[in-house]
Amino acid sequence: DQQVKQNSPSLSVQEGRISILNCDYTNSMFDYFLWYKKYPAEGPTFLISISSIKDKNEDGRFTVFLNKSAKHLSLHIVPSQPGDSAVYFCAATTGTASKLTFGTGTRLQVTL
Amino acid sequence: DVKVTQSSRYLVKRTGEKVFLECVQDMDHENMFWYRQDPGLGLRLIYFSYDVKMKEKGDIPEGYSVSREKKERFSLILESASTNQTSMYLCASSFQGRIKNIQYFGAGTRLSVL
Repeated sequence: DQQVKQNSPSLSVQEGRISILNCDYTNSMFDYFLWYKKYPAEGPTFLISISSIKDKNEDGRFTVFLNKSAKHLSLHIVPSQPGDSAVYFCAATTGTASKLTFGTGTRLQVTL
Repeated sequence: DVKVTQSSRYLVKRTGEKVFLECVQDMDHENMFWYRQDPGLGLRLIYFSYDVKMKEKGDIPEGYSVSREKKERFSLILESASTNQTSMYLCASSFQGRIKNIQYFGAGTRLSVL
């Protein structure tokens, strides 16, 4: 049972345009969400997170939106840069639980 | 900066061999995790540990065991490696009981079982 889903395995965006990566979840107990970025041959690195008490969190070019009623979150990257080409994982957790539940990832390619 | 170090970047082993993957973190984190990453399947949790000598099964523990004798070190053991254990293995660590529950990952070990 995949509790966190990323339905788009890949996404291609032109440099300078907006990249939108989507994530859906089924467990209504999830209350904290994270995005990780992973380059080939490297471990995932934390990018941005959002608590369920918010519907938006921004950090530079990266913004995460949370729609609790739809159990949906999205990561917006504006403007997209070639260095953003990577696999992006969303993850979710409950309260202070230690475990994260990860999605299957979306490979973003930013083209020139 | 948090540092999670995995002992090997690449490993090639034969079917039936016993394989040890080592992970060390330097941030005094209570929690440590082992994942495997496979195309189309994302990151799947194998085992995690929230304290020395404590362990809990993750989503796919079959064929694996773990050891945590010291707080900073968490080992993943493949008792008898099989070809379906060919994968990228990722170790992570985090503090316990924090609302902002960020896990920090090592660079990964790509294991090939022939």
